[in-house]
Amino acid sequence: GQSLEQPSEVTAVEGAIVQINCTYQTSGFYGLSWYQQHDGGAPTFLSYNALDGLEETGRFSSFLSRSAIYGYLLLKELQMKDSASYFCVLIYNQGGKLIFGQGTELSVKP
Amino acid sequence: KAGVTQTPRYLIKTRGQQVTLSCSPISGHRSVSWYQQTPGQGLQFLFEYFSETQRNKGNFPGRFSGRQFSNSRSEMNVSTLELGDSALYLCASSFDVGWETQYFGPGTRLLVL
Repeated sequence: GQSLEQPSEVTAVEGAIVQINCTYQTSGFYGLSWYQQHDGGAPTFLSYNALDGLEETGRFSSFLSRSAIYGYLLLKELQMKDSASYFCVLIYNQGGKLIFGQGTELSVKP
Repeated sequence: KAGVTQTPRYLIKTRGQQVTLSCSPISGHRSVSWYQQTPGQGLQFLFEYFSETQRNKGNFPGRFSGRQFSNSRSEMNVSTLELGDSALYLCASSFDVGWETQYFGPGTRLLVL
């Protein structure tokens, strides 16, 4: 089947580093993306991994390991505005279908 | 460049009615996808259109349908509304099928009474 698992909630303090894991149970996909969604807002694209390894974009980094069927999003120097839901998304190589994880709600405390 | 727009933003309907939602993608984007977001089920893929053809479909009943016009604008229709159809409906556009970056609109919040 096709499923993605992420922790439902994560709490961290300002300035800290937090890692949000995503595990999946499928094969044959283009890559893994990460999206951020603030409460009441639209999801916005953060990062994409097509190949194994680390992709860095400013304070955000994303990692993919196909052999370990695992990926993660790393947020550094946390800010209050980072409080949001984060979704990992699998992009299948069958017509570009997207499968979203259930999302991880990140709360950043002062 | 203007972003993805969706109309209407809010909608209240009663059970049994039907509803049509509209999505205008970013200029130049030919792929439009629709998603349903609810607190219990999260974000679920409804369908995707590319060049007026439905290329992909999620696991939703036939009451959910869509179409895409030659200018890439898309509409989705839900017939015989049920209480469980209350959700945020999000539209996303991308340059091509399978493109990793999807640009989401603000969504249409539908309440079925």
